[in-house]
Amino acid sequence: DIQMTQSPSSLSASVGDRVTITCRASQSIGRYLNWYQQIPGKAPKLLIYAASTLQSGVPSRFSGSGSGIDFTLTISSLQPEDFATYYCQRSFSSPPAFGQGSRVEIK
Amino acid sequence: EGQLVESGGLVVQPGGSLRLSCAASGFTFDDHTMHWVRQAPGKGLEWVALISWDGSAAFYADSVEGRFSISRDNNKNSLYLQMNSLTTEDTALYYCVKEGVSPDAPTYYYMDVWGKGTTVAVSS
Repeated sequence: DIQMTQSPSSLSASVGDRVTITCRASQSIGRYLNWYQQIPGKAPKLLIYAASTLQSGVPSRFSGSGSGIDFTLTISSLQPEDFATYYCQRSFSSPPAFGQGSRVEIK
Repeated sequence: EGQLVESGGLVVQPGGSLRLSCAASGFTFDDHTMHWVRQAPGKGLEWVALISWDGSAAFYADSVEGRFSISRDNNKNSLYLQMNSLTTEDTALYYCVKEGVSPDAPTYYYMDVWGKGTTVAVSS
């Protein structure tokens, strides 16, 4: 199976900071990479699919990039409602595995 | 966009069985592959199983293969997960999830609608 590894596992940041989370696949997955946000106590929410396509209704401060093995989720200016855990997920081949998550905490 | 409502979560003893249900509304249910994803307390997301739009194909995580069975009733807009031989490792919040498909070529798949989840606790 293709493994997904996120980094960092957690980070502390302030409102207004630029935040970057990376996701690495154990082998090439093209652009078959999705990003989700999970606020504590809530279900996950799709942010980005196909590595860089913003889901409808998601603020433009979120962006995704990458292809092949290395992918990045960037929040250009962190807002209070963005403190959450972020997961990458590959949609290339079965099983559709998730990364272990990256928790964004308030500094 | 749609709504998913899970039910059936309970406290069950190790070795026991449970059937989860998911009621779908607000979208054409039989157009979409459906998934179950779980989250153990304080842990990350773990994909459990998927079923094709017509129920003809199903796939499982290694951790549940042979113990869990996913099914659907398109006439009732419902998804199910039959869970047998439960262990404490199966304790989790179970989410029902709709698979979306990108509108343009090439085709990409993603999980775009999630229920609120139903809690399964396996304990003696």
